[in-house]
Amino acid sequence: QQQVKQSPQSLIVQKGGISIINCAYENTAFDYFPWYQQFPGKGPALLIAIRPDVSEKKEGRFTISFNKSAKQFSLHIMDSQPGDSATYFCAAQGPNSGYSTLTFGKGTMLLVSP
Amino acid sequence: DGGITQSPKYLFRKEGQNVTLSCEQNLNHDAMYWYRQDPGQGLRLIYYSQIVNDFQKGDIAEGYSVSREKKESFPLTVTSAQKNPTAFYLCASSGQGAPRFTEAFFGQGTRLTVV
Repeated sequence: QQQVKQSPQSLIVQKGGISIINCAYENTAFDYFPWYQQFPGKGPALLIAIRPDVSEKKEGRFTISFNKSAKQFSLHIMDSQPGDSATYFCAAQGPNSGYSTLTFGKGTMLLVSP
Repeated sequence: DGGITQSPKYLFRKEGQNVTLSCEQNLNHDAMYWYRQDPGQGLRLIYYSQIVNDFQKGDIAEGYSVSREKKESFPLTVTSAQKNPTAFYLCASSGQGAPRFTEAFFGQGTRLTVV
């Protein structure tokens, strides 16, 4: 059972365009939603994260939008650059009490064409 | 530099052979994890450990074993019982306690191939 569904599997965007990756979850106990970026042959690295008490978080060209009622969250990359070409994973973690691990989506391979 | 070191970067295993992947961290993190990554499958949790001498099975623990004798080290053994071990293996660590939402730091991975 996949607890975090991510789409699309792959995405091609022109330089300067907006890249949008979507994730949906079922478990209402999730309360932490990070996005990780992974370049080929490397380990993932945290890009940006959000908690459900806010609907949006922005860091530079990267924005997370969070819709708690729909149980969806998305990553927007503004002014996409060739250097953004990587695989992006959304993840979810919870509940707040006790200990829990990250559940990852299956990933989106982004290619930004020059 | 603080971080997570995985070794080796590439590993080849013969059929029926056990192999051990190394993971060392100097971030003073309590929690450590092993993930398996296959194309189009995302990251799937194999084992995790919150504290020394304790570890828990993840979603796909069959055919794998771990130990946590030191805070800094969390080696993963891929046993002959793992029928499809060819994959990219990632080790990660994170701090625990307040604030709870702490970043997970990943190593550079070990690519295991069965020959």
